[in-house]
Amino acid sequence: DGGITQSPKYLFRKEGQNVTLSCEQNLNHDAMYWYRQDPGQGLRLIYYSQIVNDFQKGDIAEGYSVSREKKESFPLTVTSAQKNPTAFYLCASTDRQRANTEAFFGQGTRLTVV
Amino acid sequence: GNSVTQMEGPVTLSEEAFLTINCTYTATGYPSLFWYVQYPGEGLQLLLKATKADDKGSNKGFEATYRKETTSFHLEKGSVQVSDSAVYFCALSPSGAGSYQLTFGKGTKLSVIP
Repeated sequence: DGGITQSPKYLFRKEGQNVTLSCEQNLNHDAMYWYRQDPGQGLRLIYYSQIVNDFQKGDIAEGYSVSREKKESFPLTVTSAQKNPTAFYLCASTDRQRANTEAFFGQGTRLTVV
Repeated sequence: GNSVTQMEGPVTLSEEAFLTINCTYTATGYPSLFWYVQYPGEGLQLLLKATKADDKGSNKGFEATYRKETTSFHLEKGSVQVSDSAVYFCALSPSGAGSYQLTFGKGTKLSVIP
């Protein structure tokens, strides 16, 4: 079945560490996104990518970095510069070739600073 | 820019009660409209969508009608169940292929009690 896989489901980070969240999709979608969700909050866009080797900052990109070396993969690195990284992170993708199409989401990664 | 406003929660209902979650939007042209549902600890799942004015999206007993004149897409269900307890997000996507970014509301948490 086609879908988006995020790993790990739970991740713990020590102060000063960089950690990388994985996102893989087999939907053949061009566009991929990373969102951050805090308790009681909506989704905030961190980064997005329309095609391989290209990505753009979203609303809250500071302290995060991404890469898009392959169409199916869009990993997110939470750097030590992100002062408040504890949150639920969601990866999504859309098919830019189709009009009016919805986004497909992964199951999320919960990151906690210890 | 585009924006989505949905009613603040949390909403608590008894089983078999009628549900309405209001959603209004601001966008140019004719965006597509979506309702997503998020169960605890999971990613977002598409619940229903509508791509043009007066379209009605429906799924699992939930319905929403795309009202261009009032820029609204209110979610309704005639008889809620305990299993409907979740967070519901209203979202829009600009019209046309290649217009890929979704704009989300802040979410409404629904709790259904037996």
